[in-house]
Amino acid sequence: QLQLQESGSGLVKPSQTLSLTCAVSGGSITSGGYSWSWIRQPPGKGLEWIGYIDQSGYTFYIPSLKSRVTISVDRSKNQFSLRLTSVTAADTAVYYCARVSSNYEMDYWGQGTLVTVSS
Amino acid sequence: EIVLTQSPATLSLSRGERATLSCRASESVYSHLAWYQQKPGQAPRLLIYDASNRATGIPARFSGSGSGTDFTLTISSLEPEDFAVYYCQQRRNWPRTFGQGTKVEIK
Repeated sequence: QLQLQESGSGLVKPSQTLSLTCAVSGGSITSGGYSWSWIRQPPGKGLEWIGYIDQSGYTFYIPSLKSRVTISVDRSKNQFSLRLTSVTAADTAVYYCARVSSNYEMDYWGQGTLVTVSS
Repeated sequence: EIVLTQSPATLSLSRGERATLSCRASESVYSHLAWYQQKPGQAPRLLIYDASNRATGIPARFSGSGSGTDFTLTISSLEPEDFAVYYCQQRRNWPRTFGQGTKVEIK
């Protein structure tokens, strides 16, 4: 059974960089032609899709974050990562990682990790 | 960016009742629409993909329909575990977008 687990700093100061990792277990991150995404959810609000990376390394990001966000894959560690620079309080959210199926749905999700931006 | 509008915001129903949730897209997404269920403190779970296909392990009481701009998620007979928030999401265009969610609560 595929499992995804987010990890990273739960508290980030304003203007600093948020860094999260999603460890994939129960399957290889490079097999099956799957892609990988990050989604976030501010407290008490709805879901916001952040971005996507496919097997060839192609990425797509939500335009509102494009200048600040990077998603990358580390095949040797079977994990992928999210980096968000110059954070503000508006970036406070639960961050989820997810696998993107061959049909482009997000079929496996991590449990989520809360990141709070505060001094 | 494609905007998805879900209605109603909240649906108050009793166990055993039928739930009908709506998702309307600002432009055609063909059949490229998914539905997710989210319970408090949990990650979303994929229910329906391509408008009408149930994901693996999803009970038959969940069904999806629609194409173009108007979509419906139907829960034929609500079970206690079905009270949750439901989101639609399109994969027709980048960026992927979600609706704002419909909360199905116990009446």
